[in-house]
Amino acid sequence: AQSVTQLDSQVPVFEEAPVELRCNYSSSVSVYLFWYVQYPNQGLQLLLKYLSGSTLVKGINGFEAEFNKSQTSFHLRKPSVHISDTAEYFCAVIHMNTGFQKLVFGTGTRLLVSP
Amino acid sequence: DAGVTQSPTHLIKTRGQHVTLRCSPISGHKSVSWYQQVLGQGPQFIFQYYEKEERGRGNFPDRFSARQFPNYSSELNVNALLLGDSALYLCASSLAFADYEQYFGPGTRLTVT
Repeated sequence: AQSVTQLDSQVPVFEEAPVELRCNYSSSVSVYLFWYVQYPNQGLQLLLKYLSGSTLVKGINGFEAEFNKSQTSFHLRKPSVHISDTAEYFCAVIHMNTGFQKLVFGTGTRLLVSP
Repeated sequence: DAGVTQSPTHLIKTRGQHVTLRCSPISGHKSVSWYQQVLGQGPQFIFQYYEKEERGRGNFPDRFSARQFPNYSSELNVNALLLGDSALYLCASSLAFADYEQYFGPGTRLTVT
């Protein structure tokens, strides 16, 4: 089965500390990879995407992610978090053989930043 | 510039009723996709429409249908509502069919009682 796994349902962290949100995927074909953020009572905002090229991808708000094909992972990192980063983060893939823009999402990781 | 807009914001319906949700894409975007997000889960793909034609469909029953209009806005229709249809319904738009950068609207919160 083709799926996206976010192992951590919740990650508590103190302000200005580094954070890593983990994402693994399973697929028999190549994929495009995405991270989205969802603030309370809002829609999803694209943080970053990997389509091809450099495996280290930089996104908005100081986030970055690294595509590791051998480990089928696409972990999201930020060196120093702010209170305002508190939100739900979703990893997603598009399988290249799908033929249309079907994003397959993980179950999400809630990032809780405290002072 | 206006982002993706959806209406209504909230909706309460009774089991067995029908509902229509509306989405206006970002100006110039021709592709619209619909997702269902049940509380505590990631969004699930329902449909993608491009140039008024259905281009992709997720694993949802035939009670779910959609259409896209000449101005690229879209409607999602759900018939014979079930309690399990209670969710946040998200619309996303993109420039073209193969443009993988999707922009999401704020969603419509549907509660079925």
